[in-house]
Amino acid sequence: DGGITQSPKYLFRKEGQNVTLSCEQNLNHDAMYWYRQDPGQGLRLIYYSQIVNDFQKGDIAEGYSVSREKKESFPLTVTSAQKNPTAFYLCASLNPPRGYTFGSGTRLTVV
Amino acid sequence: AQSVTQLGSHVSVSEGALVLLRCNYSSSVPPYLFWYVQYPNQGLQLLLKYTSAATLVKGINGFEAEFKKSETSFHLTKPSAHMSDAAEYFCAVSDSTSGTYKYIFGTGTRLKVLA
Repeated sequence: DGGITQSPKYLFRKEGQNVTLSCEQNLNHDAMYWYRQDPGQGLRLIYYSQIVNDFQKGDIAEGYSVSREKKESFPLTVTSAQKNPTAFYLCASLNPPRGYTFGSGTRLTVV
Repeated sequence: AQSVTQLGSHVSVSEGALVLLRCNYSSSVPPYLFWYVQYPNQGLQLLLKYTSAATLVKGINGFEAEFKKSETSFHLTKPSAHMSDAAEYFCAVSDSTSGTYKYIFGTGTRLKVLA
């Protein structure tokens, strides 16, 4: 079955460390998105990509970076510049005008 | 700019009772509207969507929503709540004209179903 795979499910980061969250899709969707979810705040857009080798900043891009070298893959790096990275991160892809297809998320915790 | 307001961060209903989760939106262009459900530590699953066709939209698991332009609302309903409906529900709006399909999500409503 087609879908989106996020890994790992749980990730722990030490202070000053960069970590990369994986997002892979086999839906043949062009557009992919990264959202951050915090309790009581809903989902906020970090980065999105509408085509390979192109991506745009969302509303809260500071401290994050992405790449889109392949249609199937859209990894997110949480850099040491992100001062409050503890959150639930969700990757999604889109075949417009249908709704997003979401992955199952990665929970990142700073230790 | 677009925005979504979900009234009530927590809603409790008895099993078998009507479920009503409220969503109001703001959009300067014709919107696309969505309801998603999220179970603990999982991603979001699409319940239903409005994309300018019928104003009454039926979704999965017996849920439906009605687009009311005059009230800028897209409330989610289910006639009879089931224990398995306990989850968090998110309303989202998307710009139907820009081509970027960035969604703006509400802050969510956690539904509790009482036995």
